[in-house]
This record gives sequence, structure tokens and C-alpha cells, in this order.
Amino acid sequence: GESVGLHLPTLSVQEGDNSIINCAYSNSASDYFIWYKQESGKGPQFIIDIRSNMDKRQGQRVTVLLNKTVKHLSLQIAATQPGDSAVYFCAERASGNTPLVFGKGTRLSVIA
Amino acid sequence: ETGVTQSPTHLIKTRGQQVTLRCSSQSGHNTVSWYQQALGQGPQFIFQYYREEENGRGNFPPRFSGLQFPNYSSELNVNALELDDSALYLCASREPGQHVDEQYFGPGTRLTVT
Repeated sequence: GESVGLHLPTLSVQEGDNSIINCAYSNSASDYFIWYKQESGKGPQFIIDIRSNMDKRQGQRVTVLLNKTVKHLSLQIAATQPGDSAVYFCAERASGNTPLVFGKGTRLSVIA
Repeated sequence: ETGVTQSPTHLIKTRGQQVTLRCSSQSGHNTVSWYQQALGQGPQFIFQYYREEENGRGNFPPRFSGLQFPNYSSELNVNALELDDSALYLCASREPGQHVDEQYFGPGTRLTVT
């Protein structure tokens, strides 16, 4: 399959444990943030998003936390499963019709 | 499956050549964006097309150009290829009314320039 990101930061977690993936963003004008999951050989898949007027948003097994003071975004995955193994990207966008700016990504490896 | 397909899957070109990459979106998806993803990096926005016209562009030179067709297919053309153009090229589409960032990505085309 496709190999994406040979030199990415890596996070290894035991199956069933919770995972926390962190992201620092640079643009204080960004008002919209998204997490994507990219599996080998596939394009990025939307996971969850959050607007700058919120500090927490929950989805199915995932939670995104936003700390605008320190420009930090995190993705928490509960009860991590082998199918969660992938590269995770955060992306930010300023207001208006501005393009998404992706972070470098983190490779999550789940140990069965 | 996202319903977005890209062709070819892999491609090898020589520096200075031209290349055309293709994307087929789901029916009704009238907005398509193209991204370049270098190894170990996140995708970088190249440009976006809406109803067959370019309506947004990232920091890429004019030798990167595109076309969008009425049948929801699109092309990315790159002229005068350089070694640094080696990357995974992704297209993403969305339907009217869908949130701008709830895009459906294709699997990408891996371009290698030698």
C-alpha cells in the first residue's frame, strides 16, 4: 500500500488504551480546525472539527480539545482499536474562503 | 469508499516533461480541490474549482493548472516538471451545501519525477 510520512512523529498505544494526539497551530486568526485520518493507500478522511468559539467537541470515540491561548489542538481517541492505526493530521483555516493549512501529521500505531 | 477516484495510481516522469492527472468526483459534487502531499508532510492546497472556474489558489506557480468538466471530472496539469514535484497528488470534492471542509478525498496519484 501507499506509504505516507516515513519520518513522522509516532505514537504507539496498546489496544484498548486511550490515545492523545497533539497539534500546535501557528495562525492566531484561524477560526476552524479539523482532524483527518489517513490510512495507507488512501486519501485523508474527515474525523471531527471544531470552531474557535468552542473548546471541546465530542464525536463517536473521539474528542477534540482546543486551547486558543497556547494555540494547541488535541485529538483524543477512546479505547483505541487496531483500525485506528493511521497518520493523523490537524488542519486549520482562517475565516473566509481561505484554504486549509495542514500540519505535518502523527503516525498512530496500535499494538494488539 | 468516498466515491472519488483518481488516475493513474502511480506515474513516473522525467524532469522537464508535462503531466496530466485526473479525478472523478461523485455526481453533484461541483467543487473540487487539488492538494500536493510530499513524503512526510501534510497536504498543501494547490487550487480549487467551482462550476468549472478556478476560485482559489495556494502558493503554487502558474505551471500548475487545472480544468473542471461538466461531468464532475477534473484534471491537474503540471508543465516543466521539477524533481521537487515528486509527491502524492490528492483531489477532494464536495457537494453544494456540504460544509466546506467536509470534503471527500480520492486515493491520490503518486508522481515521481526523475
